[in-house]
This record gives sequence, structure tokens and C-alpha cells, in this order.
Amino acid sequence: AQSVSQHNHHVILSEAASLELGCNYSYGGTVNLFWYVQYPGQHLQLLLKYFSGDPLVKGIKGFEAEFIKSKFSFNLRKPSVQWSDTAEYFCAVNGRPSNTGKLIFGQGTTLQVKP
Amino acid sequence: GAGVSQSPSNKVTEKGKDVELRCDPISGHTALYWYRQRLGQGLEFLIYFQGNSAPDKSGLPSDRFSAERTGESVSTLTIQRTQQEDSAVYLCASSIPTGELFFGEGSRLTVL
Repeated sequence: AQSVSQHNHHVILSEAASLELGCNYSYGGTVNLFWYVQYPGQHLQLLLKYFSGDPLVKGIKGFEAEFIKSKFSFNLRKPSVQWSDTAEYFCAVNGRPSNTGKLIFGQGTTLQVKP
Repeated sequence: GAGVSQSPSNKVTEKGKDVELRCDPISGHTALYWYRQRLGQGLEFLIYFQGNSAPDKSGLPSDRFSAERTGESVSTLTIQRTQQEDSAVYLCASSIPTGELFFGEGSRLTVL
């Protein structure tokens, strides 16, 4: 069965610090990978996704993620965080070929950025 | 509409009562998903619709949970005889087949 593990449950950073959130998945085949973000009081929205091609994916707001197939990882990074990045971040996966598009989510990481 | 709309946004009910949660997907999105998010936990898949059929119901936790969808529009998630462990935020998402999921703001259910 597919599963997603996010190692950091709660991260606290100061503004301008660098960010890396870990995500590992368990699946025997080819995968699509996603990071979603939920800002306080808002709905979940897509930050970035990987389907194929360049394993370094760039998303909105300066975020990027690198797919490392050998490590089953898709870590999220940002060189310099801002207070407005305070949010909950979810890594998600679905297996290819997927007949459903159903995503399996990790438990989420709460990021708190101190001004 | 412009986004996925869910109602009610908040629902407080007594144990043993039935509740209905509604989801209005983005127009043209044939795929619709229900997820549950308990406090401090990740999103738990409940059910997937393609059109008005549900080829994947594997996440429904018990037979107290059911869902239906009218055509390629509104879906209703019904929880019968609610229990305290049903307290959670119920999220709906829609997409074109295998496309990006767009989420609603969720319905927060509190069972007293």
C-alpha cells in the first residue's frame, strides 16, 4: 500500500532562514508527487508537483522540491522563508498509472516563521 | 463556481444524530474526492467519484458513512448515528481526471 511520511511535525524558523521539509513515500511503482500548503484560515492549495522530467521542480512563492528516486524522497525547500510562509505543508503521492487520481497524504508539517 | 464550495462550514451535533455535508465541485470537474482530517493528523481518503459512480470507496470507515453524487455536480456525504470520533474537518476536492486536486475550505464537524 502507498504511504507518505513527513518527518518534521512542527518547524519553527526565523525570517530569512532556509527551509527543508522532508517527505518520503512508499510505493513500488512510478509516482506523481505533490506538495500542498494550507495557510491559516484558507483551503489547501497546490504548491508544486512532479510528474516526470527534471527532478528539481519549482513552485509558487520561491518553493522548490527535488525528487530523488533512489531515496523515495521529495523534500521541499526554500532558501529564505518569510513570515507569510507560516502554514501547514502536506506532501502527497499517487501511483502511476492511476485510474483515480486519488492522493495519499502525509501527516503534515506545521511551519511557524517568526518575524 | 470559481472554486469548490462546501456547506455547512461548521456543524455541531449531538452523538447519535445524522449529518449531511455538501460539496459543490468546480464546473466541468468529473472527479470528486472526500477526505477527512482529524485534529493533528493528515488527510485521510474517504471516497472517490468519477461522474456519479464511486469506483473507490475504500476509505469509508464504517457503514455509517455514505456518499452520493448527482451527475457531475453536487455530492453529499452522510454520516448516520454520529459518534465523537467522527469529529473532524471533512474536505472535498474536485479535478479533471488525474489532474490537480482543488480543495474546498472544508466542513468542520463537532460531535458532542
